[in-house]
Amino acid sequence: NAGVTQTPKFRILKIGQSMTLQCTQDMNHNYMYWYRQDPGMGLKLIYYSVGAGITDKGEVPNGYNVSRSTTEDFPLRLELAAPSQTSVYFCASRRKAGGELFFGEGSRLTVL
Amino acid sequence: DAKTTQPNSMESNEEEPVHLPCNHSTISGTDYIHWYRQLPSQGPEYVIHGLTSNVNNRMASLAIAEDRKSSTLILHRATLRDAAVYYCIPARDGANSKLTFGKGITLSVRP
Repeated sequence: NAGVTQTPKFRILKIGQSMTLQCTQDMNHNYMYWYRQDPGMGLKLIYYSVGAGITDKGEVPNGYNVSRSTTEDFPLRLELAAPSQTSVYFCASRRKAGGELFFGEGSRLTVL
Repeated sequence: DAKTTQPNSMESNEEEPVHLPCNHSTISGTDYIHWYRQLPSQGPEYVIHGLTSNVNNRMASLAIAEDRKSSTLILHRATLRDAAVYYCIPARDGANSKLTFGKGITLSVRP
C-alpha cells in the first residue's frame, strides 16, 4: 500500500527556473494538501483541494500553482524559482474533512 | 483559526509517562483537537483527535478540559522513538477544513 507518494525527493534549482513537484495517492482520498516547512519551523499550507477540479489557496500561495484533474494527483508548480522557496515540501491527503491526514515523505528543494 | 500555545520543548525519561500540554482558549464549539507528531526527517503523522470526551488509541490518550480551552496528550510509556515534535491543532470538520501547524513541542526522551 503506497499511500502518498512524492517525487522528486531532492532537487536543486537555479533562480528563475520552473519545476513541478508531483504528488499522487492511492487511497481514493478527496482532500489533498501541499505544505512547506522551513528549517526549525512548523508547516505552512500552500494550497489545498477538496476534490477533482477544485483548488483553493492556503496561507502562502504566492509563487505556486496547483491543479487537480484527477482524484489521485495533485501537482505543485513553481514558476520562476526564488531562494525564498528553498524548503521541504509535504503533500498530504485525507478521505474526509475531519479525518486523519496522511503525509508523503517530503521533497527537499534548494534554489540557488 | 483558534490560536494555540505550547511550550517549546519538554524532556522525559524512557518508560515514564509524558504529559504534553496545549492551550487553545479561543477554540470554537465545533473545532476538533488534533495531535500530530513529526519524527526527525519525516513527514508528520497522525496521533489522535477528539471533540469533548477523553480519547484513547494505541499510540496515546487525549485528555480534554471540560471548558475545552486546553488539552493534554499523554504518552503512557515514552520510548526513544517518541522523540519528535508534537503539534496540537484545533480544526473544524467542514468541507474546507484545513489543518494549520504551529511550531509544536519538541519532546526529548532520555534513555
